[in-house]
Amino acid sequence: GQQVMQIPQYQHVQEGEDFTTYCNSSTTLSNIQWYKQRPGGHPVFLIQLVKSGEVKKQKRLTFQFGEAKKNSSLHITATQTTDVGTYFCAGPGRGATNKLIFGTGTLLAVQP
Amino acid sequence: NAGVTQTPKFQVLKTGQSMTLQCAQDMNHNSMYWYRQDPGMGLRLIYYSASEGTTDKGEVPNGYNVSRLNKREFSLRLESAAPSQTSVYFCASSRAGGLDSPLHFGNGTRLTVT
Repeated sequence: GQQVMQIPQYQHVQEGEDFTTYCNSSTTLSNIQWYKQRPGGHPVFLIQLVKSGEVKKQKRLTFQFGEAKKNSSLHITATQTTDVGTYFCAGPGRGATNKLIFGTGTLLAVQP
Repeated sequence: NAGVTQTPKFQVLKTGQSMTLQCAQDMNHNSMYWYRQDPGMGLRLIYYSASEGTTDKGEVPNGYNVSRLNKREFSLRLESAAPSQTSVYFCASSRAGGLDSPLHFGNGTRLTVT
């Protein structure tokens, strides 16, 4: 079946260091979404990428969609303690128009 | 504006018991979803409803049933709970399917089956 994998599963950084999480799909995606889940909370939508090679920025966060539309990345510059949480990518399920499949997530811990 | 409301927040069941998780959204969204979240497994789709009157299986539907009662409400039922169903359950909704509009999640239900 369709798989969306993320690496790493866990990342521990010192505050101020950069962080990157990678998302890889076994199939081509029409678009990809990114979510953030704070500890004990629920996932919250961050951004959607649609075009091949697209790059979008939100303050210190940079999102990229691969040229082949099978991978994506999220890069955080100069992490802060408020960045702590699990970051998920999500893409449409194979053959389905309304099914969103989530990646396995990357848990980011930031040490002050 | 409440968004997506899930009840209950916590539940403990014994193996074999049944229960229904309730979900309601007040954003006039067409699509609704049930996910379960387990450590290291991310969010896995149980069932979804693209629009009122339709439901479809997701990645892990076995042991669950759903009802799209109306446009606002989407319930998840466990007929005979098993320890493997211990998880955090999230309901979500989106305006017009997960492809073009973001999912809005409820606060989750923590279910323990002993």
